[in-house]
Amino acid sequence: NAGVTQTPKFRILKIGQSMTLQCAQDMNHNYMYWYRQDPGMGLKLIYYSVGAGITDKGEVPNGYNVSRSTTEDFPLRLELAAPSQTSVYFCASRPGTGVDNEQFFGPGTRLTVL
Amino acid sequence: RKEVEQDPGPFNVPEGATVAFNCTYSNSASQSFFWYRQDCRKEPKLLMSVYSSGNEDGRFTAQLNRASQYISLLIRDSKLSDSATYLCVVNMPSSGSARQLTFGSGTQLTVLP
Repeated sequence: NAGVTQTPKFRILKIGQSMTLQCAQDMNHNYMYWYRQDPGMGLKLIYYSVGAGITDKGEVPNGYNVSRSTTEDFPLRLELAAPSQTSVYFCASRPGTGVDNEQFFGPGTRLTVL
Repeated sequence: RKEVEQDPGPFNVPEGATVAFNCTYSNSASQSFFWYRQDCRKEPKLLMSVYSSGNEDGRFTAQLNRASQYISLLIRDSKLSDSATYLCVVNMPSSGSARQLTFGSGTQLTVLP
């Protein structure tokens, strides 16, 4: 299994540009998550999904959109990029509703908005 | 008050030392607790879950005190390879369709030769 994969690894955007961060998992996990991590800070939840067709906002959803058309894929869309969105973005997945289930993370996308 | 609060660190310890990290959480309805490890510029990875009875995995011991809403991680006989940031993570009730993990800001550990 490849686990959780993310593309691209790095990206520099200009203010106002848009982009989609890709995330895919091959573990047949129902739950998927997008986090951002600013330097020296913990992870903040942006959006999550409990299955195909179902998404919910997390703690910091403004400026982002997501979709979940398949179990495997959970892309994150940035519209009108702003410098405040400079961060490292992690996608994660876990099997299901068990409270002890481990979350598996992708390697991250480092985004800079200039 | 932060939902999950950790010792600010950084901790710089010599090889072989014992080091302890503490964490407090705000929501008494939280159900599960974890320590994740994050190496520099890498993704977090699960180190261990934390159970009410306390649990041990080799040199690592985790403790949970529900009454005080407090979690700890003890590392004995520190190795150079233990150098990383340790994230306290709590599974809290949320208003959405699923419980969510809430992450502390992390405690940085550097083990010195």
